[in-house]
This record gives sequence, C-alpha cells and structure tokens, in this order.
Amino acid sequence: QTVVTQEPSFSVSPGGTVTLTCGLSSGSVSTDYHPSWYQQTPGQPPRALIYSTDTRSSGVPDRFSGSILGNKAALTITGAQADDECDYYCMLYMGGATWVFGGGTKLTVL
Amino acid sequence: QVHLVQSGAEVQKTGASVKVSCKASGYSLSRYDMNWVRQAPGQGLEWMGWIATYNDQTNSAPQFQDRVTMTTDESTNTVYMELRSLRPNDTAVYYCARGRAVDYDFDYWGQGTLVAVSS
Repeated sequence: QTVVTQEPSFSVSPGGTVTLTCGLSSGSVSTDYHPSWYQQTPGQPPRALIYSTDTRSSGVPDRFSGSILGNKAALTITGAQADDECDYYCMLYMGGATWVFGGGTKLTVL
Repeated sequence: QVHLVQSGAEVQKTGASVKVSCKASGYSLSRYDMNWVRQAPGQGLEWMGWIATYNDQTNSAPQFQDRVTMTTDESTNTVYMELRSLRPNDTAVYYCARGRAVDYDFDYWGQGTLVAVSS
C-alpha cells in the first residue's frame, strides 16, 4: 500500500522560512497527484491551504506557497509567524476516487 | 456562505453501528462530491471514502470497504456516513469534507463528530 511521507516535526524561527515536504514510499510526486495541503490547529477541523500543487485557497496569505521540489511536493512558509505553529498535512490524489493523507508535520515556531 | 454542520457526538459499544450526518448549506449539494475523513486521538488524518452526490457513486479506502456506507438525501441537503461493526480503535473524530472534482481537493470541512467506542 502506498505511504505518503512527511517530516514528523520541523522547527522554524519567527520570520524565517521553512519548507515541508510530501513524498511517496515508492515513486515520485508529480502534479498528476494534485497535491493539496491542510493546516490544523488543536481541536479544529483542517483548513485548506494549497490545492493543485501550487494554488492558494481563498483567504490564504501569500507567504504560503506550494511547489514540486525534486520528487516531492513542498509547502513553503515565508516569514513564519507564531500562529503558524500547528500541524500540516499533505494529501495526494491516487486516481480512481482515492485519496491518501501524509502523516502530518508538527511545526514549531521558536 | 458554505457550511457543513455535522451531527453530535456518539458513544457506541463494540459491534454496534454509527451513522453520522453532514448537512450542507450555501451551495447546491449535487454540484460537489463529499468525502469522509477521520482522526483518531493524537493521530493524523485518514481518508475513509468519497461519494458523488449527484448519482450516489461511492468509493472507500480498502480498510473500510466492507464496513462503511455513504448516502445522500438531496431533500435535506444531507450526506450520511454509516460505519458498522465498530471496534475501540474506531474511536475518532469523523469529518465530512466537500470535494472539488476538478482540483481533487477538499475545500470546506465540517466541524467534526466524535465517535467513542467502548468495549
């Protein structure tokens, strides 16, 4: 079974830049997987950040950006702020009306 | 304004079934798909299944295929997810999430429904 991989945790300094990645246990992530990214704070439902690799969802600030870096999808946060500290999930479309989430990355801003 | 409002928390016993509802407002239900995602305590998100609300075609993750049923009631703009043969490790928050067929993402999410399963 396909496993979507993410860094379990990451830390960034306030004002700094961080790139979180989303890979596959076997193979490369491409735009064909329509990678999307979600942000989740404790006790809240996920919030859509990025879809179709690099398009920001409505209301998402432009310091969040998505891309393909090498063989992975990537979420870059530029100018990290304290309230960016939360969990980030990527999701890939596997075809045939099937989706898989990555395990999530816990981002610390300190 | 799009809203997905889910039914309240449930406590069930092992072997029982649970049916969670997700009432949509602010858009035409049949124009978007719906997905179900769950999150066990302290764990990540797990995609469970998808329903095309215009024709009730469904698909679910292999680990749920024999236990989950998703349905639509267009008269009340509500989508349902029933999970059968519950076990303690089904304890989780269950979310409905609106799916966009063109972009393959989930743009709006319900508030979540806690289902607790006791042995």
